[in-house]
Amino acid sequence: DAKTTQPNSMESNEEEPVHLPCNHSTISGTDYIHWYRQLPSQGPEYVIHGLTSNVNNRMASLAIAEDRKSSTLILHRATLRDAAVYYCILRDDYEHGDDKIIFGKGTRLHILP
Amino acid sequence: EAQVTQNPRYLITVTGKKLTVTCSQNMNHEYMSWYRQDPGLGLRQIYYSMNVEVTDKGDVPEGYKVSRKEKRNFPLILESPSPNQTSLYFCASSLRGGAGQPQHFGDGTRLSIL
Repeated sequence: DAKTTQPNSMESNEEEPVHLPCNHSTISGTDYIHWYRQLPSQGPEYVIHGLTSNVNNRMASLAIAEDRKSSTLILHRATLRDAAVYYCILRDDYEHGDDKIIFGKGTRLHILP
Repeated sequence: EAQVTQNPRYLITVTGKKLTVTCSQNMNHEYMSWYRQDPGLGLRQIYYSMNVEVTDKGDVPEGYKVSRKEKRNFPLILESPSPNQTSLYFCASSLRGGAGQPQHFGDGTRLSIL
């Protein structure tokens, strides 16, 4: 079973910020939070990841709750090209066990022009 | 250009006819993985490999085999394909296994088993 919970779909207007939530209430201390997105007819694409602190890169920002039970992917200014399915996953350090990766169903983001 | 290459991109075949989907990466990555993607079920991991000669089962390994004889290649083998293996398959790699490693995905292989 997926260890994260995301809304099935979300809508946002073009050129506005988008906040995509993810709940991971059973997260362990060694789990990293990763976000991927999948554009139509393409393979998944890495977006960002973090452990405890908020993270920024050229694609997005990742805000992690203080208790780490939830996180939010922030697209600062959505464009039509950001319409995709966004996956939030947890990935543990394989030294603590196996390195299985569970993706879940993700959030389908619709961008309105 | 750094990439993960899958072949073939599309294949239609019949039940029981052995097939192999190849996956190759040119980034000297240690970790490689196979996923299948089905409508309503999202991405599910089939097998993964932490390094050469090291493979392990993911969530849905039944009916599949893999091998990792060289670092760059990680073929997915369907010894006796069945219609329920009709799916979109993705190969991925990362520098190493472990928590902080982003994965790079191939463009996918669409398999239809009749």
